[in-house]
Amino acid sequence: DQQVKQNSPSLSVQEGRISILNCDYTNSMFDYFLWYKKYPAEGPTFLISISSIKDKNEDGRFTVFLNKSAKHLSLHIVPSQPGDSAVYFCATRTGANNLFFGTGTRLTVIP
Amino acid sequence: EAGVTQFPSHSVIEKGQTVTLRCDPISGHDNLYWYRRVMGKEIKFLLHFVKESKQDESGMPNNRFLAERTGGTYSTLKVQPAELEDSGVYFCASSQALGGYSPLHFGNGTRLTVT
Repeated sequence: DQQVKQNSPSLSVQEGRISILNCDYTNSMFDYFLWYKKYPAEGPTFLISISSIKDKNEDGRFTVFLNKSAKHLSLHIVPSQPGDSAVYFCATRTGANNLFFGTGTRLTVIP
Repeated sequence: EAGVTQFPSHSVIEKGQTVTLRCDPISGHDNLYWYRRVMGKEIKFLLHFVKESKQDESGMPNNRFLAERTGGTYSTLKVQPAELEDSGVYFCASSQALGGYSPLHFGNGTRLTVT
């Protein structure tokens, strides 16, 4: 049974607007949450993370929000740029370093 | 510093054949992981090495898969004999330390196609 779900397989956004990618998880023991970005024929690249003791972490154009009561994670990209077009994976872990990934959301930023 | 490198980038084999994938982690990274992504699905954990020891192999699908990390440096993942459902992209990742906020660094993957 999948522990991390990304229910939107794809998302299209106009350049300059906000992109919001969503992720839901089932295990309340997860204590660390990450977003990875993946371009075709490349491996996932770490983007941003947040620990369970926080509800927001910001890095430039990227902000991750964590709602523990809803077991929901989101990534906001603002303003969106064409170079942001990629597949975004949500990932979580418990105390060990093993990561559980979602199925990914393909973001297309339209110039 | 050099990233995680994987070889080959692509492999096409027939059902019943053997394939060996190789991963060279970032130098100094004790933790090495294998993951697999079947088309359109999640990236799924296979196993985790700490140096040369298998820390967690709970994700290995069956005994047709054998992973090794002799000397605690590079790792190999052998599939023998390969089946059609083994097709997918196999990713290797490494990290420096357990726990804390040490993200995994991924290689570009090996795309395995079993025909």
